[in-house]
Amino acid sequence: GPKVLQIPSHQIIDMGQMVTLNCDPVSNHLYFYWYKQILGQQMEFLVNFYNGKVMEKSKLFKDQFSVERPDGSYFTLKIQPTALEDSAVYFCASSLGQNSDYTFGSGTRLLVI
Amino acid sequence: GEQVEQLPSILRVQEGSSASINCTYENSASNYFPWYKQEPGENPKLIIDIRSNMERKQTQGLIVLLDKKAKRFSLHITDTQPGDSAMYFCAGTMDSNYQLIWGSGTKLIIKP
Repeated sequence: GPKVLQIPSHQIIDMGQMVTLNCDPVSNHLYFYWYKQILGQQMEFLVNFYNGKVMEKSKLFKDQFSVERPDGSYFTLKIQPTALEDSAVYFCASSLGQNSDYTFGSGTRLLVI
Repeated sequence: GEQVEQLPSILRVQEGSSASINCTYENSASNYFPWYKQEPGENPKLIIDIRSNMERKQTQGLIVLLDKKAKRFSLHITDTQPGDSAMYFCAGTMDSNYQLIWGSGTKLIIKP
């Protein structure tokens, strides 16, 4: 079936540096999401994006986080500067409708050291 | 409230028997309830979902029940197999917002 591609699959970064996580959503999907998952725990919503704008964000979406999708290219999550507690797996997802089936990417495993 | 509670956190069942996972939600406006299966190191995959206009849905050995009055929904896996061992997450959402609220997950272990 259609896939959401996430690049890179793994990233190790020094605390304080900037990192950009890239997501290539399903081509005809209109809604895009980022979720954070710490090992073995539940998914935590970060942000969603529609029509070029952030629609909702959670308390986890700190000021150091930003998202964009310039000109229909990758949907990106940027963290600047990174902190140790940002270490987690970040999943991108997309959906055609507002609350229709989500397709998740395979995640980016971020380790901040 | 926006919580989704999920129990149990760990479930061990004998191969061939059935497994049941229960979730409750707080917001009566919730109207879409997907279930995801996540294997170690993998992304979550949608296995079945139910909307608030239904009370029961069944597909390929999976049954989902929704009790809107009790604000409770459940997943039942019949005739479990070793490949069913994984983390299972319930979630809920409403048309008025844009996010899935996830349960805390159930680790299902199928004993041979």
